Amino acid sequence: GIQVEQSPPDLILQEGANSTLRCNFSDSVNNLQWFHQNPWGQLINLFYIPSGTKQNGRLSATTVATERYSLLYISSSQTTDSGVYFCAVRILTGGGNKLTFGTGTQLKVEL
Amino acid sequence: KAGVTQTPRYLIKTRGQQVTLSCSPISGHRSVSWYQQTPGQGLQFLFEYFSETQRNKGNFPGRFSGRQFSNSRSEMNVSTLELGDSALYLCASSLVGGLGREGGPFHEQFFGPGTRLTVL
Repeated sequence: GIQVEQSPPDLILQEGANSTLRCNFSDSVNNLQWFHQNPWGQLINLFYIPSGTKQNGRLSATTVATERYSLLYISSSQTTDSGVYFCAVRILTGGGNKLTFGTGTQLKVEL
Repeated sequence: KAGVTQTPRYLIKTRGQQVTLSCSPISGHRSVSWYQQTPGQGLQFLFEYFSETQRNKGNFPGRFSGRQFSNSRSEMNVSTLELGDSALYLCASSLVGGLGREGGPFHEQFFGPGTRLTVL
C-alpha cells in the first residue's frame, strides 16, 4: 500500500519562530489533507490540498503532486499551535474514501 | 452546521465484553469512515460506509464490524474485546463516498471528537 512519511517527527520552537513540516507519499493521490490534533484528540482540518498552494492566516500549504510531497508552513508560531500535525492522502485508484495517515509531527511551541 | 458527533466520548470495558460506538455525520454527508488511533500503530482505517453499504475495509479482524443507517448515522461494534483494542476511535464524514478515480472537495473528510475506549 501507499507509504506516507512525515518529517521531522518532533519539533520544538520558540514562540514567534517559523517552521516547515514535510509529507512525502509513495503513490499518486487525488486527495491530501493536513490536520492538527489537539490535546483532546480531535482532528482539526487545516487544509484540503491535493495540489497547489493555499493560505489560511499564519498557515500555508503547498502540494506538488507530481513529485509526491506536501509542505505545511507555520509562521509566527504561538503556543496554541502545539500538538500533532498529520497529513493524510487518498490514493488515485481504488481504496474508496480511505485516508492513509502519516506518523505525524509532534510540535511544541514554548514561550 | 453541526459537526460530526460521536457517542459515548469515553468508555471502560473489560476483556471479553463487546462495545458499540455511534457516529452522526455532518448533515447532508453520506460517507462515514472509522479509524483507530493507538500510540503504537498510529491512525489506521477500519472501514467506510456509503449509502448503507460497506465500501472499503481495513486490515482488522472480524471482531470489528459496522453498519450505516438510512439517515447516514453509523455504528461500529467490537466483540470479544482484547486489551489491544484500547484506543481512540475516530469517525469521519464526507459529502460523497470514494468512487474510483474521482477526487475533489466533496471528498474532504471531517472528523468527530472520538471515543476513547479503555479495555481492562
